[in-house]
Amino acid sequence: GQSLEQPSEVTAVEGAIVQINCTYQTSGFYGLSWYQQHDGGAPTFLSYNALDGLEETGRFSSFLSRSDSYGYLLLQELQMKDSASYFCAVSPRSGSARQLTFGSGTQLTVLP
Amino acid sequence: GAGVSQSPSNKVTEKGKDVELRCDPISGHTALYWYRQSLGQGLEFLIYFQGNSAPDKSGLPSDRFSAERTGGSVSTLTIQRTQQEDSAVYLCASSSPLGGQYSGNTIYFGEGSWLTVV
Repeated sequence: GQSLEQPSEVTAVEGAIVQINCTYQTSGFYGLSWYQQHDGGAPTFLSYNALDGLEETGRFSSFLSRSDSYGYLLLQELQMKDSASYFCAVSPRSGSARQLTFGSGTQLTVLP
Repeated sequence: GAGVSQSPSNKVTEKGKDVELRCDPISGHTALYWYRQSLGQGLEFLIYFQGNSAPDKSGLPSDRFSAERTGGSVSTLTIQRTQQEDSAVYLCASSSPLGGQYSGNTIYFGEGSWLTVV
């Protein structure tokens, strides 16, 4: 099976940098994804890492270390609109379904 | 349609009643997923459809839950004899057949159906 751990809450101020960590245990692994969900909204895709290293998309970057079963999402130049829940998710290798297994989410609060 | 469409957006039902939740995926997407999200929790996988293959039902929590996908498009999630613990947001998602595992298996979610069992 798969399990993921991420902090339940993170608070930071506008303009700051915040890192949301994710550790995982999985019996097979394609890659690590990150999704953002605003209150009452649908989760939306942010980034994906299939290989070790850093992927950068604008203010957001995501990192993966397969050897450490660890990844993180880095948010720079925080804005108030970044206040949301952030979920890491693994794409399992096992079985015929490519469904994602999600972590419990990290609630990010950005303060003025 | 432009995005994944779900209905109803909100449903309040009495304990013991059956409910049906509908999902209309993005046109051309062959993969369709149902997830459940309880208040303040992560997303719990329920069921996955891919084309004409047999669905992966491994996430359905009990035999009161079932889902169908007609014509490879619209899907209906049915919950029989609802219980209070079934109260949650039921999220449908779809993905493109062009998205292999190295594309991140990006899936596109609908806004969800908020189910409250009283």
